[in-house]
Parts: sequence; structure tokens; C-alpha cells
Amino acid sequence: NAGVTQTPKFQVLKTGQSMTLQCAQDMNHNSMYWYRQDPGMGLRLIYYSASEGTTDKGEVPNGYNVSRLNKREFSLRLESAAPSQTSVYFCASSPPRASGKSYEQYFGPGTRLTVT
Amino acid sequence: AQKITQTQPGMFVQEKEAVTLDCTYDTSDPSYGLFWYKQPSSGEMIFLIYQGSYDQQNATEGRYSLNFQKARKSANLVISASQLGDSAMYFCAMREGVNTGTASKLTFGTGTRLQVTL
Repeated sequence: NAGVTQTPKFQVLKTGQSMTLQCAQDMNHNSMYWYRQDPGMGLRLIYYSASEGTTDKGEVPNGYNVSRLNKREFSLRLESAAPSQTSVYFCASSPPRASGKSYEQYFGPGTRLTVT
Repeated sequence: AQKITQTQPGMFVQEKEAVTLDCTYDTSDPSYGLFWYKQPSSGEMIFLIYQGSYDQQNATEGRYSLNFQKARKSANLVISASQLGDSAMYFCAMREGVNTGTASKLTFGTGTRLQVTL
């Protein structure tokens, strides 16, 4: 069981470039999430997917798009990167409600993104 | 208004002592959950403990306990018998609408950096 995996671990982009952050989980979880963590701050929710086929905006969605490719994978795309998007990005997933533990979130190791 | 407030940017504690990390929250939802996560210098987020708003007893997980005071809207984390490996950032988080929806969207505080000393 790898849990939640994210690629890449590090990335440097120039302003205006695009890229996709990949996330996959092998725990058969229904819900998946993307957060960003800026220095000195807690995590903030960018987008989430309650179940396969659905996505919704979180607290800070501007400048991002997401795709829930299948139950396992949830990707985050930056179409035109800006320096304000320099951050650490975390993907997370949570078990289905029937498990009784849908409150738990399992986090990936993070992607450190720098936009110059 | 801040939904989660952690007023202690940094704390020091001696090894083997207990320490309390403060967290206050703001919500009008009667059904919510409170979490504590640990983030060591390596960067990963580690789930520590969860308290539901309707739970009658304070949550405990090993050396971690959550001092839940609903009327005060506080959810302080108590770490007993601190160890050097407890040195990390600690984040309090809240999920609203526990009984509605299927996604567990979390709102985080700004964190407290705990340093355990010899």
C-alpha cells in the first residue's frame, strides 16, 4: 500500500508556463483534495472531488483546474503559472462514509513548486 | 473572521513534560469535527487526533489528548511526556457539516511550532 503518492516532488516553472501535478491513491477512497501551504500558513483547500466524476471549488481555486481521472487519480493543473502560486501542494484522500472514518484525511508527501 | 485560531506561533517544552497547544474555532454549524495534525521538518502531514462536536468524551490517542471545551469553542491538544521526536509544527483543523455531504473539507489554523528540549 503506497497510500497517497504525488509527482513531481519538486518543480521550478517560469511565469506563464503550465504544468500538471499528479496525485494517486490506492486505498479505494472516494474523496480527494488539493491543498496549498504557503510559508507561515496552514493548508488551504484549492479543489476537491467528493466522488469520481465530481469536482468542486475550495477556498482558493483561482488559477487552477482539476481533473478526477478515475477513482484513484486526481490531478491539479496550472494553466499559466504566476509567482503567487509558489507554494507546497498537498494532495489528500478520505475514506467513504460507510467506513465510519470519512473524517480522516491521508496526505501525500507534497510537491514543492517555485514560480520565477 | 478566522475559523481556526492558533495564537502560539512557537512553544518550548522540556523532554518528559506535558505541553498544551491552544486552538479556538468559530462555527455556527452544530455538526463539526476538530483535528490535529503534526508536520515534522520532512514536510508530511500526520493525522494525530479527531474530536466530533457530538462526542461526549474528550478524544485520546496514546500520548495525545484533545481538551474539548464546546462552550468556549476551544480544542486544545495536550501532549504528555514529550519526546524529542515531537518537535514539529502542529496544526489544528476543522471540518464543518459533518452530517452532510461526503467530502471532508478541512480549514486549518496557522500552526504552532513545538520545540522539545533536553
